[in-house]
Amino acid sequence: DTGVSQDPRHKITKRGQNVTFRCDPISEHNRLYWYRQTLGQGPEFLTYFQNEAQLEKSRLLSDRFSAERPKGSFSTLEIQRTEQGDSAMYLCASSLHRLTHDTEAFFGQGTRLTVV
Amino acid sequence: SQQGEEDPQALSIQEGENATMNCSYKTSINNLQWYRQNSGRGLVHLILIRSNEREKHSGRLRVTLDTSKKSSSLLITASRAADTASYFCATDAVSGGSNYKLTFGKGTLLTVNP
Repeated sequence: DTGVSQDPRHKITKRGQNVTFRCDPISEHNRLYWYRQTLGQGPEFLTYFQNEAQLEKSRLLSDRFSAERPKGSFSTLEIQRTEQGDSAMYLCASSLHRLTHDTEAFFGQGTRLTVV
Repeated sequence: SQQGEEDPQALSIQEGENATMNCSYKTSINNLQWYRQNSGRGLVHLILIRSNEREKHSGRLRVTLDTSKKSSSLLITASRAADTASYFCATDAVSGGSNYKLTFGKGTLLTVNP
């Protein structure tokens, strides 16, 4: 399977614990996005990378959130000291960005986080 | 904040009818993309239309883009029960400086009744 994969698919954690999610993009894609989606809402932008550079972080991304993309390949999203409000689906997407044109973004199946 | 807004928020039609969903956005875009999401699952890319294009077709899908009005529409012809899903538009737009990012609207929930 050469699509975007996310791990784990589901995560239940106790409030205050740290969690880390992983995203493996499509191999030739240079852009990688993280989104958060709650029930009945569209995906909300969190952050994105062009290769290994993190180009933008949303104001939704508090200091408890950190994302990395070492060597421009896979990415991790860590949430420290989780709160119940962090419960959501976390989606990763990747795309190929070129100066001449862009391609569509492909999404993974997401990681559903439940903070209890 | 959401860049795009879909209209209507919910749409219910009979199988065989056409469904039209609209999307409005606020800033200049590089391209606009439509996605489908079945309940509780990931997003599936449907179609991408670039800012210099006005219309695009893919199977039973037809997308139009009017950059002067900052709006797009998605038409699904001869709908099927399997088309029941949420549909989102996403704009690839300049976000401060020269960086572009893909931003989603809140979606239209389409229900196709058999």
